[in-house]
Amino acid sequence: EVQLVESGGGLIQPGGSLRLSCDASGFSVNSFYMTWVRQAPGEGLEWLSVIHIGGSTYYADSVKGRFTISRHNSKNSVDLEMDSLRPEDTAVYYCARGRWGSYYMDVWGKGTTVTVSS
Amino acid sequence: QSALTQPASVSGSPGQSITISCTGTSGDVGAYNYVSWYQQHPGKAPKLIIYDVSNRPSGVSDRFSGSKSGNTASLTISGLQAEDDSDYYCISYTSRNTWVFGGGTKVTVL
Repeated sequence: EVQLVESGGGLIQPGGSLRLSCDASGFSVNSFYMTWVRQAPGEGLEWLSVIHIGGSTYYADSVKGRFTISRHNSKNSVDLEMDSLRPEDTAVYYCARGRWGSYYMDVWGKGTTVTVSS
Repeated sequence: QSALTQPASVSGSPGQSITISCTGTSGDVGAYNYVSWYQQHPGKAPKLIIYDVSNRPSGVSDRFSGSKSGNTASLTISGLQAEDDSDYYCISYTSRNTWVFGGGTKVTVL
């Protein structure tokens, strides 16, 4: 079964760092592009970052310079390293995959919750 | 990158048709036929219902259809049913090699 499972969320103080992981099963993360999307409480979806099959990465302006996406082929997972966290980063964080040559995400995880608060 | 513009809410009675608009710019919606739509029920992950403007994934009801004109994409739900009561989001690929979501539309089945 194709599945994505996010982990690593929790309560973190402003200014702190957190690493989220997205573990894939049923497919290889190095054969798809992988993205992170978040949703603040009561708000809409926000696209954050992508890592392509070739390793190139792109970020939304809101997280550029603070968040870093990486892929670990041996673990079949994708991480999102989040630094200099702010209260407005509080959200459910989803990972999702996209097929090479397509421009949509077809499989999503259930999300992990990050709360930035003192 | 500014979010795409969607109406905050749309409502309709069972059996009716409704349309949700998604307006962007020449750098996103207008630049490519890479608009997709997601349905999201409360507390759940988004579900893909339309990709590449007007294509439906296998298993998605043909009551959902998509189109695009210029910088505006649209999602139409025909024969509205109770289970269509949900949030809907458009998303477009952009000329900056990123994606941008719309603000979301709450569909209420009256």
